[in-house]
Amino acid sequence: DSGVTQTPKHLITATGQRVTLRCSPRSGDLSVYWYQQSLDQGLQFLIQYYNGEERAKGNILERFSAQQFPDLHSELNLSSLELGDSALYFCASSDHGQGGSGEQFFGPGTRLTVL
Amino acid sequence: AQKITQTQPGMFVQEKEAVTLDCTYDTSDPSYGLFWYKQPSSGEMIFLIYQGSYDQQNATEGRYSLNFQKARKSANLVISASQLGDSAMYFCAMREASNAGGTSYGKLTFGQGTILTVHP
Repeated sequence: DSGVTQTPKHLITATGQRVTLRCSPRSGDLSVYWYQQSLDQGLQFLIQYYNGEERAKGNILERFSAQQFPDLHSELNLSSLELGDSALYFCASSDHGQGGSGEQFFGPGTRLTVL
Repeated sequence: AQKITQTQPGMFVQEKEAVTLDCTYDTSDPSYGLFWYKQPSSGEMIFLIYQGSYDQQNATEGRYSLNFQKARKSANLVISASQLGDSAMYFCAMREASNAGGTSYGKLTFGQGTILTVHP
């Protein structure tokens, strides 16, 4: 158990809909990262938050947005869903950048299926 | 931009044998971190081993060791005494240097992965 929780584990929805994925980082971790894993694109970084602020953006579509709340949990919002958004979405957390490895601890993932 | 290359889509190994999974990387940052993660069929991402760009010695964690050749920009994972439970997808990843003045670590860039199958 990595200490990172993600809900829901599975999500099945229709095209055009909007969903929210939730992530709680490990206790004490300030950074939250979102990744998308699909068969054609592999594992891709979407966005990073650090202590409530957006820190870095990757290949995140404009239809997707995220935020990190004061209690450090994070939500990834996916709207106007398309078939191609079907993927496994991971949340990961790490501690602050003061020495150490910067290992990212991954949650179990949310498997999104868009029908 | 950072890039990770895993050239072996699939590897097969006999139980109790050693196996090497290849990883090469490209970056212009002098400070970076290299990671290996295991993803079993259940889907979770399991951290295996870490190597910092300034580490002088190769990292080891139990049966896992990282063969770090900085000049060649390679970070191969060696699994000794393979077990059936080692069958999984293995990802090599690189972490950017810390961003925003060192207050947070950067994202991970992943390779395409190698599927390892351990035969009894």
